[in-house]
This record gives sequence, C-alpha cells and structure tokens, in this order.
Amino acid sequence: EAGVAQSPRYKIIEKRQSVAFWCNPISGHATLYWYQQILGQGPKLLIQFQNNGVVDDSQLPKDRFSAERLKGVDSTLKIQPAKLEDSAVYLCASSLSPTAEAFFGQGTRLTVV
Amino acid sequence: LAKTTQPISMDSYEGQEVNITCSHNNIATNDYITWYQQFPSQGPRFIIQGYKTKVTNEVASLFIPADRKSSTLSLPRVSLSDTAVYYCLVGDEQAGTALIFGKGTTLSVSS
Repeated sequence: EAGVAQSPRYKIIEKRQSVAFWCNPISGHATLYWYQQILGQGPKLLIQFQNNGVVDDSQLPKDRFSAERLKGVDSTLKIQPAKLEDSAVYLCASSLSPTAEAFFGQGTRLTVV
Repeated sequence: LAKTTQPISMDSYEGQEVNITCSHNNIATNDYITWYQQFPSQGPRFIIQGYKTKVTNEVASLFIPADRKSSTLSLPRVSLSDTAVYYCLVGDEQAGTALIFGKGTTLSVSS
C-alpha cells in the first residue's frame, strides 16, 4: 500500500516569497491533516479536512496560510508571504476517520531566509 | 479538548522495560487514548490505541486505569532503536479532532 506522498522534500525561500506544498493521502482516507513542526517541538495542527470540508483550522494563520483539498483527495498548503518564523517541517497525514490510525508523510522542510 | 501531561524526557538501557505515563485529567467519556512515536526527520508513527483497561500489540502495551485520568505506555525490552519521542494523544470525539500533539517524551536508550 502506498503511503502519504508529500512534495517537495526541501524548500528554501526568501522572506515575503510564496511557497506551496502538496500532499497525496492514502487512497480512501477521508481525513487529512496538515501540521507544522518547529525543531524541538511537537507537531502543531494547522488544518484538518474531512473529505473536502474543513473540520478544524483554528490554528491556521489565515492572513498568510491557506489550504484546500479539491475533490476530497489531494491537498495543497500555501504560505504567502512567508516569514522567518515559518521555517519548519510541514507534515501531512491521513486516516480513514478522525480517531483511526493516522499515517504521516515524510514532510517538507521549509527554510525561510 | 483534554490536555495531556507527560515527562519531558526519560533514560533507559537496552533490555529494560520502559513505562511512560501520561496524565489526562479531563478526558471525556467518548475519548480514546492514542500513542505515537517519532524518530528524527520522520513523521510520527502510530503505536497503540485504547479506551480502557489494557491493550497489547506486537510493539507495546497500554494500561488505562478505571478512572481513565492517566495511561501508561509500556515498551518491553527496549533497544537502541527505540530512542525516539513518544506522544500521548486524547481524541476529541465530539469535535472530530483527535490528533492534537503535546510536547511528548524523549526516550533515550543507551547500551
């Protein structure tokens, strides 16, 4: 079974630039999560989708971050404009349901300079 | 949403049993308890999930007392490869939001 695919693996951008991350969840998984993990901290939930609807985006900085899940499958997370403090690993995860086992991708390491 | 409290770090030696306790005093009736493991440069990985009493799989055991205000992850005979961060999560059934991570416990296993 294919796992959660994320791209790119690494990205370096200058502050105030834009960046987008892509996630392809495991086939059939209705729940999709985006997390931000800063070095030394636990993953912070940015947004949770159930199919193509948003369940929780309370910690998403909506002035600069946006996410969508078209057709309830793939998802993209965008940052515009980026700040230095956005440097982190961005993890995507998917699961059959909110309380089922979640599978994580390898993550995208973003460095903002 | 139930808040969890875990030790920041633990040390152990190869071959020992390690028990990591998590406190979740305001756990709701329908909430599940889930543990994840994370190695450096990787995403978290599911270890075990339970609701009450004891759950065991090929990797670990999860002990949950009757009041469910705490839980203990037990790793039998740890090896160097068990060095990782372990997260205790309590699922919010009502909100449908289960994967809220805290700071986790960094387990270091030495030879």
